[in-house]
Amino acid sequence: TQLLEQSPQFLSIQEGENLTVYCNSSSVFSSLQWYRQEPGEGPVLLVTVVTGGEVKKLKRLTFQFGDARKDSSLHITAAQPGDTGLYLCAGGEDSSYKLIFGSGTRLLVRP
Amino acid sequence: DSGVTQTPKHLITATGQRVTLRCSPRSGDLSVYWYQQSLDQGLQFLIQYYNGEERAKGNILERFSAQQFPDLHSELNLSSLELGDSALYFCASSVAGGSRSDEQFFGPGTRLTVL
Repeated sequence: TQLLEQSPQFLSIQEGENLTVYCNSSSVFSSLQWYRQEPGEGPVLLVTVVTGGEVKKLKRLTFQFGDARKDSSLHITAAQPGDTGLYLCAGGEDSSYKLIFGSGTRLLVRP
Repeated sequence: DSGVTQTPKHLITATGQRVTLRCSPRSGDLSVYWYQQSLDQGLQFLIQYYNGEERAKGNILERFSAQQFPDLHSELNLSSLELGDSALYFCASSVAGGSRSDEQFFGPGTRLTVL
């Protein structure tokens, strides 16, 4: 069974700080997706990366897929209170249609 | 708004009972996925249907079953409920049957509380 580990589990930072969230596995994934979830709502897709080494930017968010397609990172520059939420990475398997979700990183950005 | 709808939003029931959760995918999406999210287990994939047929199965208990109807809406049936079944249940949909870049869009979830 493929597993995705996210770190850190919790992160509390001041507005304006930078942060990086990591998503790691010992297995190779065909794609890696990042979601953000707010309390009481469903996860919302932020980005999908499919090529090893791929970097995608979404405003202040930068996503990177590892060269070996086993890991990914999410970097937020100058965090804002609106970035608060649960960040989930999810890996797509080559052999099935399932998405394997990481346990998530809970981010709190204090004003 | 993702375009995926789920009903009911909240459900409170007793142990041993049976409930049905309903999901309508985004217009044009053929795949429906069901997930369970609890505090200690994270988001767990349960099952996927594509155009009416079961496509993939995760850690779904035998007490749980699902189906996708000709109009593509889906129902998740949970029976002989236990306290540990209390969780958020999410439905997601995607255009195709699952591919490297197939994006899933999640509904708002149904919060099930078993007393």
